[in-house]
Amino acid sequence: QQQVKQSPQSLIVQKGGISIINCAYENTAFDYFPWYQQFPGKGPALLIAIRPDVSEKKEGRFTISFNKSAKQFSLHIMDSQPGDSATYFCAASALIKAAGNKLTFGGGTRVLVKP
Amino acid sequence: NAGVTQTPKFRVLKTGQSMTLLCAQDMNHEYMYWYRQDPGMGLRLIHYSVGEGTTAKGEVPDGYNVSRLKKQNFLLGLESAAPSQTSVYFCASTLGTSGANVLTFGAGSRLTVL
Repeated sequence: QQQVKQSPQSLIVQKGGISIINCAYENTAFDYFPWYQQFPGKGPALLIAIRPDVSEKKEGRFTISFNKSAKQFSLHIMDSQPGDSATYFCAASALIKAAGNKLTFGGGTRVLVKP
Repeated sequence: NAGVTQTPKFRVLKTGQSMTLLCAQDMNHEYMYWYRQDPGMGLRLIHYSVGEGTTAKGEVPDGYNVSRLKKQNFLLGLESAAPSQTSVYFCASTLGTSGANVLTFGAGSRLTVL
């Protein structure tokens, strides 16, 4: 049973458009929500992250929106560029050192930005 | 600075064979993890370690064993490989101090079990 559900599985967007990826979680103990970006043949790399004490975080063209009551968070990629074509993973963890700060990942979204 | 290095990058096994994947990090990270990546399933945690000499089970530990004899190395073993273990395996590490848990991933090891 996936504790973090991600949608859509794939997304095609035109250059300059907005990409939106949604995630929902079940575990109310989660208190850290990162997004990872993965290019083909590479390992995932941290893109942006948010804590539940804020509803939005923006870094350049990437924005996380967080809705604690709905247990949902989303990634918006503004002015999408061909270089943004990658697989994006949402994740969540409860930052408990003794438990290893384990991240639970969503299923991933493959984003293709057409020029 | 190499970061997280995984060896081998590719391996083909026959059912029943055994093998070990090696993960090495040079960042003095305390925590290390092994994930497997399958289409539509995201990354699922196999085993993890919170320090030298410690290991713990993750979400999908069956059929795998791990060891962390040295702080910089985390080994993942398959004692008797099965086709269901065909996957891409990723090792990751993090400093382990309180606060944001930023994982540094290796480039992955693609394993095919025939």
